[in-house]
Amino acid sequence: DAGVIQSPRHEVTEMGQEVTLRCKPISGHDYLFWYRQTMMRGLELLIYFNNNVPIDDSGMPEDRFSAKMPNASFSTLKIQPSEPRDSAVYFCASSAGARSSPLHFGNGTRLTVT
Amino acid sequence: SQQGEEDPQALSIQEGENATMNCSYKTSINNLQWYRQNSGRGLVHLILIRSNEREKHSGRLRVTLDTSKKSSSLLITASRAADTASYFCATGGGATNKLIFGTGTLLAVQP
Repeated sequence: DAGVIQSPRHEVTEMGQEVTLRCKPISGHDYLFWYRQTMMRGLELLIYFNNNVPIDDSGMPEDRFSAKMPNASFSTLKIQPSEPRDSAVYFCASSAGARSSPLHFGNGTRLTVT
Repeated sequence: SQQGEEDPQALSIQEGENATMNCSYKTSINNLQWYRQNSGRGLVHLILIRSNEREKHSGRLRVTLDTSKKSSSLLITASRAADTASYFCATGGGATNKLIFGTGTLLAVQP
């Protein structure tokens, strides 16, 4: 089991550029979550999917953020255009089945927008 | 807004001592989970306690839950330098699979 895989590990971009973060969940997991972690706001849930369908995107900060899950093994989080305040570590996590299942996290993408 | 608040924000102890971290939350839950995060890594699940449970053990970990006070505690016994990490509580409730994380406690275990 390779665990949740995120890419890239680090991303540095200039304000106004498009950024795409990628996630491969654990095979067989039917829930996928995107979190953002900053010193000021801690861990924030942005959006989560069940069976590739977005269930709750109430945490997505604004229209500049979008997430997709075209199939069970791949998800993207896109920021367009990026702003310095988007700088954070973005985590993807997956879980299997029932409510209260533990989350399995990737090692995150550290995004810096200059 | 965040569901959980952890206390203390930071804790420094000597190897071999016990470490206790507390978590308070605001709304009703059906489970509470504890996670560990090493620097530069993702979170790792440690233990889950359901709302109808009061105490749970796993190795050197002991978790308690008091739903009347909306609080939980994580006790790590006989701490080791390798326990140095941030520890987060996360609450799940209602009909969703959402987990809301607390602010975390940074634990430093001095060898």
